[in-house]
Amino acid sequence: AQSVTQPDIHITVSEGASLELRCNYSYGATPYLFWYVQSPGQGLQLLLKYFSGDTLVQGIKGFEAEFKRSQSSFNLRKPSVHWSDAAEYFCAVGAANAGKSTFGDGTTLTVKP
Amino acid sequence: DVKVTQSSRYLVKRTGEKVFLECVQDMDHENMFWYRQDPGLGLRLIYFSYDVKMKEKGDIPEGYSVSREKKERFSLILESASTNQTSMYLCASSPLDRSTQYFGPGTRLTVL
Repeated sequence: AQSVTQPDIHITVSEGASLELRCNYSYGATPYLFWYVQSPGQGLQLLLKYFSGDTLVQGIKGFEAEFKRSQSSFNLRKPSVHWSDAAEYFCAVGAANAGKSTFGDGTTLTVKP
Repeated sequence: DVKVTQSSRYLVKRTGEKVFLECVQDMDHENMFWYRQDPGLGLRLIYFSYDVKMKEKGDIPEGYSVSREKKERFSLILESASTNQTSMYLCASSPLDRSTQYFGPGTRLTVL
């Protein structure tokens, strides 16, 4: 069965600092991988996704993620965090024909001024 | 832009009531999903649907049922609401290739 682990429940960074959110997955074949962001009181919005090809994926709002098959990881990065990035971030894994994704428990990001 | 709307942002019901949560998407997506979101537990899939009148159980279907009579609408039904069903409910849709999911704003349901 597929699963996703986000080891960090809560991360605090200063505005302007770099950010890395960790995601590890378990899946038997080549996965589809996603990062979503959820602002308070809102639904989830897709930041980026990996299906195949280049393992470094660019997303919206200046985020990027790198797929590392050997480490079963898909970590999210941003070189300089803005106060508006404070939110909850979810990593998800799916498959081409499975019809559903499995989500991690989420990482809450706090940005200090 | 894809738009997924949910009938209520906040809902308060009493134990034993029948509750309907409605979700509508405007992008002609084949797939629709219902999740519940609880602190520390992430998103858990309740039911999903690949097509009209078709449904499949997700990870936590107990206490819930669904209805999809039209392609754009997917309803979640709590036959007899209980306090442990107090949660945030999120609806999502995705196109046929089952890739990116588009989420509604959520319904925060409180069962007293």
